[in-house]
Amino acid sequence: QQQVKQSPQSLIVQKGGIPIINCAYENTAFDYFPWYQQFPGKGPALLIAIRPDVSEKKEGRFTISFNKSAKQFSLHIMDSQPGDSATYFCAAKYNFNKFYFGSGTKLNVKP
Amino acid sequence: DTGVSQDPRHKITKRGQNVTFRCDPISEHNRLYWYRQTLGQGPEFLTYFQNEAQLEKSRLLSDRFSAERPKGSFSTLEIQRTEQGDSAMYLCASSALWTDNSPLHFGNGTRLTVT
Repeated sequence: QQQVKQSPQSLIVQKGGIPIINCAYENTAFDYFPWYQQFPGKGPALLIAIRPDVSEKKEGRFTISFNKSAKQFSLHIMDSQPGDSATYFCAAKYNFNKFYFGSGTKLNVKP
Repeated sequence: DTGVSQDPRHKITKRGQNVTFRCDPISEHNRLYWYRQTLGQGPEFLTYFQNEAQLEKSRLLSDRFSAERPKGSFSTLEIQRTEQGDSAMYLCASSALWTDNSPLHFGNGTRLTVT
């Protein structure tokens, strides 16, 4: 059973567009929700993270929206650039050290 | 902070051979994790160390897999009698112990191909 469900599997946007990636979870014990960015041949790198007592967090062009009642959270990338083309993973943590990852969204930002 | 380093970056081996991977975590991080990632999927948890103690192992980790972290510093992951299904990217990550919400810092992984 997948703990974190991520959609869409792939996404194509034009430069300047706002791609949105969605994740949903069931386990209410999750207490930390990071997003990771991964380029080919590299390990995932932390992008931005949020705690469930916060509804929105912005860091630069990246925004997480968090809906605790719906058990959903999403990543928005403002003014997307071709350099943002990568695979994005949402994740959720509970019990200090248990991280569960979504299946990933491959983003392609066209020039 | 030199980041998490993994060695080798790539490993090609024949079915039935043993392989060993090494991970050097960020020096001040007490927690060390091994994950496996297959094409088109997110990382899947394999095992977790706090200092030198291996505190948790996934059911994905068969008896052919063993991990160690002597002296709580670097870690090794050994796969014995490799199978084609073991082909994947093996990722190591570390995090700090002193905060509940310390994120995982990943290395660039070791890509294993079993022929």
